[in-house]
Amino acid sequence: GAVVSQHPSRVICKSGTSVKIECRSLDFQATTMFWYRQFPKQSLMLMATSNEGSKATYEQGVEKDKFLINHASLTLSTLTVTSAHPEDSSFYICSALRRLGGEDYGYTFGSGTRLTVV
Amino acid sequence: AQSVTQPDIHITVSEGASLELRCNYSYGATPYLFWYVQSPGQGLQLLLKYFSGDTLVQGIKGFEAEFKRSQSSFNLRKPSVHWSDAAEYFCAVGAPRTDKLIFGTGTRLQVFP
Repeated sequence: GAVVSQHPSRVICKSGTSVKIECRSLDFQATTMFWYRQFPKQSLMLMATSNEGSKATYEQGVEKDKFLINHASLTLSTLTVTSAHPEDSSFYICSALRRLGGEDYGYTFGSGTRLTVV
Repeated sequence: AQSVTQPDIHITVSEGASLELRCNYSYGATPYLFWYVQSPGQGLQLLLKYFSGDTLVQGIKGFEAEFKRSQSSFNLRKPSVHWSDAAEYFCAVGAPRTDKLIFGTGTRLQVFP
């Protein structure tokens, strides 16, 4: 089955530093990936849509300069949290869109990254 | 833009009892509807999805959901809950034109022995 690998699973960083999170589709090509943020005991909030070879599309209220997204290949999208602050601490989850034929498609999710900024 | 409402934040059931989790959506056209389950600190696992055709959809782990266009609903059901079903359940709606997947607020299921 389709697998999406997300790394790291946990990261602790100092305030003011940058952190990169990788999302990799292992056995299929994903021209479109999505990044979500999830606060404790809350839902997943869509942050941005990552398209291979083009700029990411950010949802309203998400700072594009704070959350840099790069989708340089058909299997890899990265999210970089720049100049991280404690309020950026959260659970980040990526998702890859997989075309299954016709109008059928599915989303495969990574296992998430717990970011803690101290 | 699409949106999803899950009216029940927290549901508690006894093991062996039946379960129904509610989901209402808002979308201007025929939506693509999904149910996911999430265990603490984990990613999401797809339970089932509806794109078209038969409005009663069978999923994994004994779950099923019924799409009711007239009620804009896609409720998840299971006839007999197991203790291992305790988790967070998310309903989501996908928009064919944008491919975006938008999640509801989730329902936390607790199962008592």
